[in-house]
Amino acid sequence: NAGVMQNPRHLVRRRGQEARLRCSPMKGHSHVYWYRQLPEEGLKFMVYLQKENIIDESGMPKERFSAEFPKEGPSILRIQQVVRGDSAAYFCASAPPGQLNTGELFFGEGSRLTVL
Amino acid sequence: AQSVTQLGSHVSVSEGALVLLRCNYSSSVPPYLFWYVQYPNQGLQLLLKYTTGATLVKGINGFEAEFKKSETSFHLTKPSAHMSDAAEYFCAVRGGGSQGNLIFGKGTKLSVKP
Repeated sequence: NAGVMQNPRHLVRRRGQEARLRCSPMKGHSHVYWYRQLPEEGLKFMVYLQKENIIDESGMPKERFSAEFPKEGPSILRIQQVVRGDSAAYFCASAPPGQLNTGELFFGEGSRLTVL
Repeated sequence: AQSVTQLGSHVSVSEGALVLLRCNYSSSVPPYLFWYVQYPNQGLQLLLKYTTGATLVKGINGFEAEFKKSETSFHLTKPSAHMSDAAEYFCAVRGGGSQGNLIFGKGTKLSVKP
């Protein structure tokens, strides 16, 4: 059973460009979470999605960031008009249905965005 | 609101010595607590978790943690450090509500000296 798959692992963008990060959850997992890790910081929650629904986006910056989890295909975190402060590691995690209260989250290996 | 504080951003021990990584939490509901480990340029791997029941929780790689409600602590220990334990360790608490997201501490980098 493959784990959480994220791609690209590394992404370099110039200021003003767009970044798209993709996440395929573990098989059978219907809940997807995105976290951002800045240098010397822990992981900060960004958004929680289920298929075709954004459940909680309280951690998402108000502008330039968006996320989706379509009926078919991976979840996508999109950052428009990137700035240097967006440079970070972005982690996706997934969880199976029925274990949200007690189960752990399963993490991908992250996508490391560098903005020049 | 839930929060986690990890005391010490860097901890250094000698190989074979006791490892103690500290975590204190704040939670308005009975907490579910987790320790994750992150090796360089990798994702997070679950070490152990506390949900209910026994307060001493054993995890992988010889690690264990004890939930102490009176001290609001969930410190991670290992009796004898190994070089391969060098990594960053994150304590996390389940966020409020039923959404399942985790709230993480800032992490503690563990170095192991030969």
